[in-house]
Amino acid sequence: ETGVTQSPTHLIKTRGQQVTLRCSSQSGHNTVSWYQQALGQGPQFIFQYYREEENGRGNFPPRFSGLQFPNYSSELNVNALELDDSALYLCASSPAPGFSNEQFFGPGTRLTVL
Amino acid sequence: AQSVTQLGSHVSVSEGALVLLRCNYSSSVPPYLFWYVQYPNQGLQLLLKYTTGATLVKGINGFEAEFKKSETSFHLTKPSAHMSDAAEYFCLIIQGAQKLVFGQGTRLTINP
Repeated sequence: ETGVTQSPTHLIKTRGQQVTLRCSSQSGHNTVSWYQQALGQGPQFIFQYYREEENGRGNFPPRFSGLQFPNYSSELNVNALELDDSALYLCASSPAPGFSNEQFFGPGTRLTVL
Repeated sequence: AQSVTQLGSHVSVSEGALVLLRCNYSSSVPPYLFWYVQYPNQGLQLLLKYTTGATLVKGINGFEAEFKKSETSFHLTKPSAHMSDAAEYFCLIIQGAQKLVFGQGTRLTINP
C-alpha cells in the first residue's frame, strides 16, 4: 500500500509568481485535504476535495485554489505569491469526506517565497 | 469560536519519566479531539482520537489521553518516555463538518 506522496519536496519562488503543488492520495482514499504550516505553528486548513469537488474551505483567499483528479490525486495552486506564503504545505488523504476519520499525511512541500 | 491551547511550546523530560503534554480547548458543542505527532521532515501521524464513548483513549506507542469535559482538556500522557518519542505533538479539535483547529504544537525533547 503506497502512502501519501507530495511533490516537489522543496520549492523556491519569488513574490508575485504562481506555484503548483501536487499530492497523490493513499490507495482507496477519495478525499484530500490541504494544510499550510508556518514555521513554529500548527497546520491551518486550506480546503478539502472529495470526488473532484471542493468540500469545505478554511480562511484562505481565492488565490489559493485546488483541483482533484479522477484518480483522487490533487493539486494546490497559489497565485500572486506573497512572502507570508512561505510555509510547509501538507496534503492529507482519508477514506471519506469530513474529518472524523484518520487523515494520512504526506511529508509536505517546503515553499520559500523570496 | 473554537480554539485550542497547548500549554508549553517546549517540554523536556528524562528517558523513562512521565510525559504529560497539555491541551485545552474551547467549544460550544462536544468536539472530536485528536493528537497527532510530527517527526522531523515527516508528515503528521495520528496518535489517538476521541469522538464519543469512553473518555480514556489509548493510542499507539504507549500514549493515552483523557477527555475531561468539565476541565475542557484532552491531555496526552505516556508513563515512560523513550528517546524515539522526541517529536512535535499537535492537538486538534474538530467541531462540525468543516471546523477544525490545530494547536500550535509542543516540541518534546527526551534527555538521556
